Amino acid sequence: QVQLQESGPGLVTPSQTLSLTCSVSGGSLSSGVYYWSWIRHLPGKGLEWIGYTYYSGSTFYSPSLKRRLTISVDTSNNQFSLKLSSVTAADTGVYYCARRNGEVTDAFDIWGRGTMVTVSS
Amino acid sequence: DVQMTQSPSSLSASVGDRVTITCRASQTINIYLNWYQHKPGKAPKLLIHAASSLQSGVPSRFSGSGSGTEFTLTISSLQPEDCATYYCQHSYSTLAFGPGTKVHLK
Repeated sequence: QVQLQESGPGLVTPSQTLSLTCSVSGGSLSSGVYYWSWIRHLPGKGLEWIGYTYYSGSTFYSPSLKRRLTISVDTSNNQFSLKLSSVTAADTGVYYCARRNGEVTDAFDIWGRGTMVTVSS
Repeated sequence: DVQMTQSPSSLSASVGDRVTITCRASQTINIYLNWYQHKPGKAPKLLIHAASSLQSGVPSRFSGSGSGTEFTLTISSLQPEDCATYYCQHSYSTLAFGPGTKVHLK
């Protein structure tokens, strides 16, 4: 049973970089049919897709966040990471990592429990 | 980019009621449409993929239909544990979620 677990600071100072890691257990991140994704839920708003990476290192970003975003993969440690620069209070929310499954029309079929990130001085 | 809308934005129903949520895409997305259930403090849960395929382990009272630009999620007999926000999501090109529909008990 594949499981995902987010980790990283819960508090980030405005204008700094938000950094999160997602650890994959129970399966290999290097499987070819999966894309490893970040999604967030901002207070009072809906779900927002952030971006995803393939095990090869290819990345695909939301156009609205692309300028500030870096997603990377570490196959040796079965992890992938998110870096969002120049954060503001508007980036406060719950950040989820999720597996996008090419075998079920690219749906997000497995999710981490989410981690709350607050941007505040 | 494909934009998604959902209606209604919220609804109130009684236990046992049939509940229908509609999702519309700004252009045709074939059947590249998925539905999720999101409860406060929990991770979203995939219910339906490819517009009408029930994800393993999801109760059969959930069903999906549609293709092209209009899709529906139906709960045939609402249960108390179904109170949540429901999101559609397309996987046709750049990904996007709909704005969500909050379902609560009357």
